[in-house]
Amino acid sequence: DQQVKQNSPSLSVQEGRISILNCDYTNSMFDYFLWYKKYPAEGPTFLISISSIKDKNEDGRFTVFLNKSAKHLSLHIVPSQPGDSAVYFCAASALGIQGAQKLVFGQGTRLTINP
Amino acid sequence: DSGVTQTPKHLITATGQRVTLRCSPRSGDLSVYWYQQSLDQGLQFLIQYYNGEERAKGNILERFSAQQFPDLHSELNLSSLELGDSALYFCASSSRQDAYNEQFFGPGTRLTVL
Repeated sequence: DQQVKQNSPSLSVQEGRISILNCDYTNSMFDYFLWYKKYPAEGPTFLISISSIKDKNEDGRFTVFLNKSAKHLSLHIVPSQPGDSAVYFCAASALGIQGAQKLVFGQGTRLTINP
Repeated sequence: DSGVTQTPKHLITATGQRVTLRCSPRSGDLSVYWYQQSLDQGLQFLIQYYNGEERAKGNILERFSAQQFPDLHSELNLSSLELGDSALYFCASSSRQDAYNEQFFGPGTRLTVL
């Protein structure tokens, strides 16, 4: 049961344009969402997060939008730069059994920024 | 550099064998998480330890076990290995026991089972 889905395995964007990565989730109990970026041969690195009480969070070139009614979040990168070429994972968190929480990751979207 | 170290970087072994993966969290972090990433898959949460105690469990097989030691480093033990266990195994750490903050990931251990 894939609770967090990134339906686009890959995305190609021209340098300087906007990159939009999408993520859908099915579990309405998710209340915290994160985006991670991963380069080859490295571990994922945190990019930006958003709590379910917000619908937007911005950090420099990165903005995450949350649409709770649609169970959808997106990551906007403006302007896109060659160094943004990486695999992007969205992740969601929910309070589980015994107060424990765990992150559920999507399958990732490979973003390629073309010069 | 996230500050999380994992050893070994690569591991090649045969079916039926047992291996141990090691993780040292960032200085000061009490939580350690283990994840498995198989080919073309997202990261699957395996297990979390917080200050030496098991805190949350994910899709971890019974053949797999983990522990966190008093110095906060953690080990993931994989036994009776099967071909399907070939994957990247990531360790992550954070300062909190809940998942409401970022986790810092190590570079991963690539396990190949032949």
